[in-house]
Amino acid sequence: AQRVTQPEKLLSVFKGAPVELKCNYSYSGSPELFWYVQYSRQRLQLLLRHISRESIKGFTADLNKGETSFHLKKPFAQEEDSAMYYCALTNYGGSQGNLIFGKGTKLSVKP
Amino acid sequence: ETGVTQSPTHLIKTRGQQVTLRCSSQSGHNTVSWYQQALGQGPQFIFQYYREEENGRGNFPPRFSGLQFPNYSSELNVNALELDDSALYLCASSDAGWDTQYFGPGTRLTVL
Repeated sequence: AQRVTQPEKLLSVFKGAPVELKCNYSYSGSPELFWYVQYSRQRLQLLLRHISRESIKGFTADLNKGETSFHLKKPFAQEEDSAMYYCALTNYGGSQGNLIFGKGTKLSVKP
Repeated sequence: ETGVTQSPTHLIKTRGQQVTLRCSSQSGHNTVSWYQQALGQGPQFIFQYYREEENGRGNFPPRFSGLQFPNYSSELNVNALELDDSALYLCASSDAGWDTQYFGPGTRLTVL
């Protein structure tokens, strides 16, 4: 079954601490992985996608096909990083792009 | 560049009624996808439209239907509303079926 698992509902860290949001997936094709973020009272927006290999707002994510993981990391958390984070996947290059989302992790960065 | 817009923002209906939600895609995008997000869950794929044709469907019953218009705006119609249909409905547009999807703010539907 195609599935995205985010094991933590809530992750709470102090400002300046490292952050790792976990994402594991189960997919039979060639997945393209994404991280979406939703700040308070804002729409869901793309944070980064694997194929771009960009670092956005200091966040990075590495696709580990052996462990089927795409964990999101940031070395020093900021209070403005507090938000809901969703990991998602789609079939890379496929004709249709239904995103499969995890249930999300709420990141809370304390001062 | 205009982002994805959705209307209405909120909607309250009673069980058994029908509802139509609307979405305007981002300028230049020809693909629209609809998602249902129940409380505490991630968005769940309903269907996708590409150049006015349905281009994939998730595990939703036929009473969930849609349309895409020549200007690439879209509608989601839900018939015979059930209490479990209460959710945030998200529309996302993209330049191709599998390309990055840009989301609208959503329509909050409450079914009483």
